[in-house]
Amino acid sequence: EAGVVQSPRYKIIEKKQPVAFWCNPISGHNTLYWYRQNLGQGPELLIRYENEEAVDDSQLPKDRFSAERLKGVDSTLKIQPAELGDSAVYLCASGRNTGELFFGEGSRLTVL
Amino acid sequence: SQQGEEDPQALSIQEGENATMNCSYKTSINNLQWYRQNSGRGLVHLILIRSNEREKHSGRLRVTLDTSKKSSSLLITASRAADTASYFCATFGSNDYKLSFGAGTTVTVRA
Repeated sequence: EAGVVQSPRYKIIEKKQPVAFWCNPISGHNTLYWYRQNLGQGPELLIRYENEEAVDDSQLPKDRFSAERLKGVDSTLKIQPAELGDSAVYLCASGRNTGELFFGEGSRLTVL
Repeated sequence: SQQGEEDPQALSIQEGENATMNCSYKTSINNLQWYRQNSGRGLVHLILIRSNEREKHSGRLRVTLDTSKKSSSLLITASRAADTASYFCATFGSNDYKLSFGAGTTVTVRA
């Protein structure tokens, strides 16, 4: 079974530039999560999908962040414009209902 | 905001020793899960314990859950150098249906 695939693995951008992260979850998983992880801290939830519906986006900074999950499969997380404080690792995870989550390797963003 | 708090923040032990870390949380849960993260990598699921369970084992891992105290512990027995990683507890809320993570415990196993 293929795991959760994220790209890019690393991204360095200047502040105020846009950036997008892509996630391909495990086939058959109905839930998809985007987390942000700062150095030395645990993952913080940004948005949670059940199929193609965003059921919890309360922690997503909607002035600059947006996300979509096309046809309930792949998902894209976008930041526009990026700020220095957005430097972090962005993790995508998928699962079934209330069970365990499978994580991708993450996308490390550095904003200069 | 993070749901759980792990204790200790960091732990250093000798190979072969046991490692114990604790997690406290605040709200009602459906289940509690433990994950491991090696440096620069994604998180890997270790074990899930449901709210009606008190103890669970998986290989060298033992997890306990006390819902009256809103706490859990993870015990790794006979630790190995390969167990060096950060360990996170995560709670699946019974009201918000989302998985929320604590800040983690960094474990270093010395050879």
